[in-house]
Amino acid sequence: DTGVSQNPRHKITKRGQNVTFRCDPISEHNRLYWYRQTLGQGPEFLTYFQNEAQLEKSRLLSDRFSAERPKGSFSTLEIQRTEQGDSAMYLCASSPELESTNEQFFGPGTRLTVL
Amino acid sequence: QKEVEQNSGPLSVPEGAIASLNCTYSDRGSQSFFWYRQYSGKSPELIMFIYSNGDKEDGRFTAQLNKASQYVSLLIRDSQPSDSATYLCAPWMDSSYKLIFGSGTRLLVRP
Repeated sequence: DTGVSQNPRHKITKRGQNVTFRCDPISEHNRLYWYRQTLGQGPEFLTYFQNEAQLEKSRLLSDRFSAERPKGSFSTLEIQRTEQGDSAMYLCASSPELESTNEQFFGPGTRLTVL
Repeated sequence: QKEVEQNSGPLSVPEGAIASLNCTYSDRGSQSFFWYRQYSGKSPELIMFIYSNGDKEDGRFTAQLNKASQYVSLLIRDSQPSDSATYLCAPWMDSSYKLIFGSGTRLLVRP
């Protein structure tokens, strides 16, 4: 399977715990994006990497959220001291660095439930 | 004003009909536009993109773009029950290298 993969697919945690999600992009895709999606809404941009550099982070993102892409391949998204409002689907997408197109391909997502 | 506006629906059409999904956007700097389909509980799946004014056809799908009116639409011909899903419109923001998604329109195709 050469698509975007995400782990875990589901995560249930208690309020106040830390969680970490992983995303493996399509091979050779330079760009990697994290989104959050709640019921009835479209995906909301969280952050963007080009290779290992984090180029943009949503101002809506609290300091409890941090993302890394240390070697320009896989990425992790960590949420510290989770809150019930963090319950959502966390989506990762990757994109090749091409002038002609900015298509993004999504992984299956990680569904987070905070109790 | 939201950056991307879509009618939430549901838009209900009979099988075989043409479904028309509409989207307006606020950023005149957006140059390309993406349509994604999302089945319930699944992640978005790219259907097609358009960056020139006019129509772009791909199989049963036609995307239409009017930059002057800041309007983009998706037509689905010969709608099938398997087309029942939420359709997300997403302009590309050249200034910040990201997609801004609308809330989506839910389409129901009645057999």
